[in-house]
This record gives sequence, structure tokens and C-alpha cells, in this order.
Amino acid sequence: DAGVTQSPTHLIKTRGQHVTLRCSPISGHKSVSWYQQVLGQGPQFIFQYYEKEERGRGNFPDRFSARQFPNYSSELNVNALLLGDSALYLCASSPTDAVLGQETQYFGPGTRLLVL
Amino acid sequence: QKEVEQNSGPLSVPEGAIASLNCTYSDRGSQSFFWYRQYSGKSPELIMFIYSNGDKEDGRFTAQLNKASQYVSLLIRDSQPSDSATYLCAVNPGGPDKLIFGTGTRLQVFP
Repeated sequence: DAGVTQSPTHLIKTRGQHVTLRCSPISGHKSVSWYQQVLGQGPQFIFQYYEKEERGRGNFPDRFSARQFPNYSSELNVNALLLGDSALYLCASSPTDAVLGQETQYFGPGTRLLVL
Repeated sequence: QKEVEQNSGPLSVPEGAIASLNCTYSDRGSQSFFWYRQYSGKSPELIMFIYSNGDKEDGRFTAQLNKASQYVSLLIRDSQPSDSATYLCAVNPGGPDKLIFGTGTRLQVFP
């Protein structure tokens, strides 16, 4: 079975531009979460979506938005890019929306974004 | 105080030795705990998860959880050079699928 897939793998943008990152979860998984990982740090939670609804949001500005489609794939959008948005963007999927926080998340390969 | 704390390392151990990786967390209500391995330039790969106090073993890996001390650890027995990577401790405080990660501990296993 295919794991979590993300596209594109690498992206170079300039300040002020907009970017859209895409994620397809593991087949059968309905929950998708997005994380940002800057060099030398652990991933930081951005969003979680389940059944097309936002279930959680991290401490990120409104320039970051996301959505989930009926097939459970997801997009992360970032507007007005800043140099500090340069990072590895990770998508993770899990089977359901964990009430007790016990669902295991599986990560995709990530999209490496460089903002110049 | 950071929510999840790990020693950044590097932790250097000889091949065949036991590597001990530690993590503390601040949210006493945290429900589940995960260890991920991340090779340079790659995404995190799940190694183990643990929900209950005590030890959980899977092959060469043992996760240990002590909720009273808010402490979780990972032991790697018979360490191999291929185990050289950054090990990320992650905690889910409950509710949405939100993981809070530490900064990771870099492990170096030398022949």
C-alpha cells in the first residue's frame, strides 16, 4: 500500500508569493495533519482536518490556511510568503479523529520550501 | 519551559552498545507518547508508541513511560551504525491529532 504522498517535493518561491502544498493520506485514513519543520527543530503543528472539518490549529498566522477534500486529500496554502516560512512541510495521516489522542500519525516525505 | 524537552546531543555510542534517549514533557494530562526516527533530509518515521506506564518492547527498541515523573525514554539495544539519526519524542496532549515534538536527540553509533 502507498504511504502518505506529498507534492511537490521541492519548491522555490520569492517573498510575497503564494504557495499551495498537496497531500494524499494513506488509503482508508480520514485525518490529515500539517506540520512545519525548520532546520534543527522538531516539527510544529499547523492544522488538523478530519472529514473536511478543521479540528485543530497551531500557533500560526492567518496567512496559513488549509482544506480537506471529499477524498480526504488536503491542501496547505501559505500567502504573502516570508523568508521565515522556509522549512520542510510535513503531512501526516491517521485513520480517525482521535478523541483520546491515541491515533498514530504517519508522515509523508515532505515538501521542502525555500523562500528567497 | 518547553512543552517537550530532549537533550540535543549528539549522543555517541559504540556499535553493539545500548543507547538511551530521554524526554520530559510538561502537560500532565498528556495521553500518548511517540518516538520517531528522522534521517538527515528525510521525514520522521514512527518507531514506537506507548500509552501506559511501564515498558513496551519491540525488537531492539524499548520505550519506557513514567507519567508521575512526566518522563519517557527509548532504549536501543545492540546499536548499529544504521541507527545513527535524530530521534524525536512526540506527545499528544489529548483531543485532536496534534503532536508536540521535542527538538530531537542526534544519535551517532560508531563502528
